[in-house]
Amino acid sequence: GAGVSQSPSNKVTEKGKDVELRCDPISGHTALYWYRQSLGQGLEFLIYFQGNSAPDKSGLPSDRFSAERTGGSVSTLTIQRTQQEDSAVYLCASSLERGYNEQFFGPGTRLTVL
Amino acid sequence: DQQVKQNSPSLSVQEGRISILNCDYTNSMFDYFLWYKKYPAEGPTFLISISSIKDKNEDGRFTVFLNKSAKHLSLHIVPSQPGDSAVYFCAAIITGNTGKLIFGQGTTLQVKP
Repeated sequence: GAGVSQSPSNKVTEKGKDVELRCDPISGHTALYWYRQSLGQGLEFLIYFQGNSAPDKSGLPSDRFSAERTGGSVSTLTIQRTQQEDSAVYLCASSLERGYNEQFFGPGTRLTVL
Repeated sequence: DQQVKQNSPSLSVQEGRISILNCDYTNSMFDYFLWYKKYPAEGPTFLISISSIKDKNEDGRFTVFLNKSAKHLSLHIVPSQPGDSAVYFCAAIITGNTGKLIFGQGTTLQVKP
């Protein structure tokens, strides 16, 4: 596909369950970002991957959150033991390289924790 | 600590008039600024950007102004069209850093026909 894709588009889960969110960046983009948007809030940075460098995990809100990027392409964001405050839209973005280049966003995954 | 602030949650303008969306920031290390537009159920799309070495950047109906001394930027849309109705996010970057975007809370623009 031409753009960033994310799956699933919607996810409803029960409190305490683990969830995995997937992001397929634009082919050739070396930088990949995860953000989340809680209700009525702006986008909050979570984690950043650039090539083979160590990821910037400074935005992850707790150790229940983790992410990996396999083969420099697809990324998975995992939330363990989900809590109701984890409910948000999780957005993935990619760019050609680190820096101020335009970041292209996927449509997001809407996570609802009951 | 909200480093990028959009103090107006919403703005309503008449079609054909100017829309002015404002954004303030606190971190003087930011050296690149971007505006994104977001429709419901879609991801944000890049609109326009400006480097801190400039004070104005124009692209068609969209112009971004930067006032570094006031740590303030604004997005002007002229003339406004109903299709411009969306949520607009201001974002800032420290380009020597990882490139993570720091976003404002967003302003919902409604352009009335």
